Amino acid sequence: QKEVEQNSGPLSVPEGAIASLNCTYSDRGSQSFFWYRQYSGKSPELIMSIYSNGDKEDGRFTAQLNKASQYVSLLIRDSQPSDSATYLCAVNEGGTSYGKLTFGQGTILTVHP
Amino acid sequence: DGGITQSPKYLFRKEGQNVTLSCEQNLNHDAMYWYRQDPGQGLRLIYYSQIVNDFQKGDIAEGYSVSREKKESFPLTVTSAQKNPTAFYLCASSSATPEETQYFGPGTRLLVL
Repeated sequence: QKEVEQNSGPLSVPEGAIASLNCTYSDRGSQSFFWYRQYSGKSPELIMSIYSNGDKEDGRFTAQLNKASQYVSLLIRDSQPSDSATYLCAVNEGGTSYGKLTFGQGTILTVHP
Repeated sequence: DGGITQSPKYLFRKEGQNVTLSCEQNLNHDAMYWYRQDPGQGLRLIYYSQIVNDFQKGDIAEGYSVSREKKESFPLTVTSAQKNPTAFYLCASSSATPEETQYFGPGTRLLVL
């Protein structure tokens, strides 16, 4: 059973701080990695995708991937109350599985003023 | 406007009843997926389809059925064999690009009367 584990929450940070969300995965052959944000009662929306080792930055968000350690993280700089949501890590098996994603259980982030 | 639509937003099922959830996309995506989300949980894959007239079981297919007669449509039927159907159901689609990012519809919340 392929597994994706996220750091247990909830995570609470003050406004303006850096929020760090972590995810480990069991399938060493995984190819693509995604972070989704989900507000309460809503569907997930894509925040970041990353495919190769290293960092990828998009505005206040930075995704970090280390395939050797089977670890992917999401950093949110200058956190805002509007960032308060559940963050889902998803891993794509690739190959013949064609886009089949395995999701972590999610980490609840609260940014307090 | 391109996107994924799901209907209805809320659905109530009586004991022994089959119900069908609709999912339509106009993104010209080849692949479509159905997920189930329980409170405080990540997403679990029910069924997915990579091409018209073909679909595969996901991790929790028992008690569900699907069809893919058109590229744009991927309806999910929750049968009476699914004994615990109360959940948030999410439909997603993706293109056949190497990144294969999945985009989600707004979801259908199914409740049992």
